[in-house]
Amino acid sequence: DAMVIQNPRYQVTQFGKPVTLSCSQTLNHNVMYWYQQKSSQAPKLLFHYYDKDFNNEADTPDNFQSRRPNTSFCFLDIRSPGLGDAAMYLCATSRDTAGTSYNEQFFGPGTRLTVL
Amino acid sequence: AQSVTQLDSHVSVSEGTPVLLRCNYSSSYSPSLFWYVQHPNKGLQLLLKYTSAATLVKGINGFEAEFKKSETSFHLTKPSAHMSDAAEYFCVVSEGGFNDMRFGAGTRLTVKP
Repeated sequence: DAMVIQNPRYQVTQFGKPVTLSCSQTLNHNVMYWYQQKSSQAPKLLFHYYDKDFNNEADTPDNFQSRRPNTSFCFLDIRSPGLGDAAMYLCATSRDTAGTSYNEQFFGPGTRLTVL
Repeated sequence: AQSVTQLDSHVSVSEGTPVLLRCNYSSSYSPSLFWYVQHPNKGLQLLLKYTSAATLVKGINGFEAEFKKSETSFHLTKPSAHMSDAAEYFCVVSEGGFNDMRFGAGTRLTVKP
């Protein structure tokens, strides 16, 4: 089945120790997103890629970076995790639907990050 | 800019009774509207979407929603709740851009036996 896969599902890191979260997709969608979701809150968009074009949200901290080496894979790098970065990180994809007014997003299962 | 308000942070129903989760939106254009469900420690799953076609939208697992432009509402309903429906539900509005999905704060649905 076509899907969005995130690895690992659970990640524990230490305060200040860099960590990388991984997302892959078999949907062949050209847009990929990273969201941060803290407990009992709605997901918050960090950035998205349209093909190789990177688009950062204005309020995304510099501590968060992303890489998309090819269509299928996208990585979230947290350079120096703080306690406030503990959250669920969701990857999503969508297909460019030029000429229509919507872009349905398909979500992965998420990676829960714990910072000790 | 568009926005969405979920009127209830928590809804509790008994198994077998109807479900109503309320969502109001604000948009300057003809928006697309979505309902997503999130079970504990899982990603978001699309329940249904409105994209300017039929105003009554049927989704998965028996859910449906009606787009009412005059009331700027997109409430989610289900005739009979099941224990497996217990989850967090998010109403989302979009005006078509890739970074313009606006999420509501979420409604936690509890289903009592």
